[in-house]
Amino acid sequence: DIQMTQSPSSLSASVGDRVTITCRASQSISSYLDWYQQRPGKAPKLLIYAASSLQSGVPSRFSGSGSGTDFTLTISSLQPEDFATYYCQQSNSTPVVFGQGTKVEIK
Amino acid sequence: QVQLQESGPGLVKPSETLSLTCTVSGGSISSYYWSWIRQPAGKGLEWIGRIYTSGSTNYNPSLKSRVTMSVDTSKNQFSLNLSSVTAADTAVYYCARSPGDYSLDYWGQGTLVTVSS
Repeated sequence: DIQMTQSPSSLSASVGDRVTITCRASQSISSYLDWYQQRPGKAPKLLIYAASSLQSGVPSRFSGSGSGTDFTLTISSLQPEDFATYYCQQSNSTPVVFGQGTKVEIK
Repeated sequence: QVQLQESGPGLVKPSETLSLTCTVSGGSISSYYWSWIRQPAGKGLEWIGRIYTSGSTNYNPSLKSRVTMSVDTSKNQFSLNLSSVTAADTAVYYCARSPGDYSLDYWGQGTLVTVSS
């Protein structure tokens, strides 16, 4: 199975900060990488698919980049509603595997 | 707007079979892949498997021996059976849609299933 490793596991940031989360795959997955946001008690929400494509309805402050094994999710200006846990997911092959998550907390 | 809703028992006894159904509304179940994902309290996401509307399936190898999925296109529903459950199967179970690859673009709200006697 492809393993997905996110870093950091958690971070503290302030409203307005630029935030970057990294995801590394154990082998090349081309651009088959998705990012999800999960607020407490809610289902995950697709933010970015195919590494850099913004899902419909998602604010443009979210962006994704990378290919091969190294990927990045960037929030350009953190908003109060962005405090949540973020997961990457490889969508290259079965079994689907998620990263362990990055919790973004208020500083 | 596509909506998914999980349903089924919230409590299952050890060694029994966990059975959940996901009902899709606001769109057709046809021509999509439909997945089950679970999340133990305070932990990350685990993909259980998926089914296409033709009935073809992909299961997570870690659960494959205990998982069966089915689809009923006439009812716009798909289902999950997980046999021989233990406390380790206690989790929130989500159903979700994939448009064609493995991205999950619509999710149900999730349902908590507790395995306990």
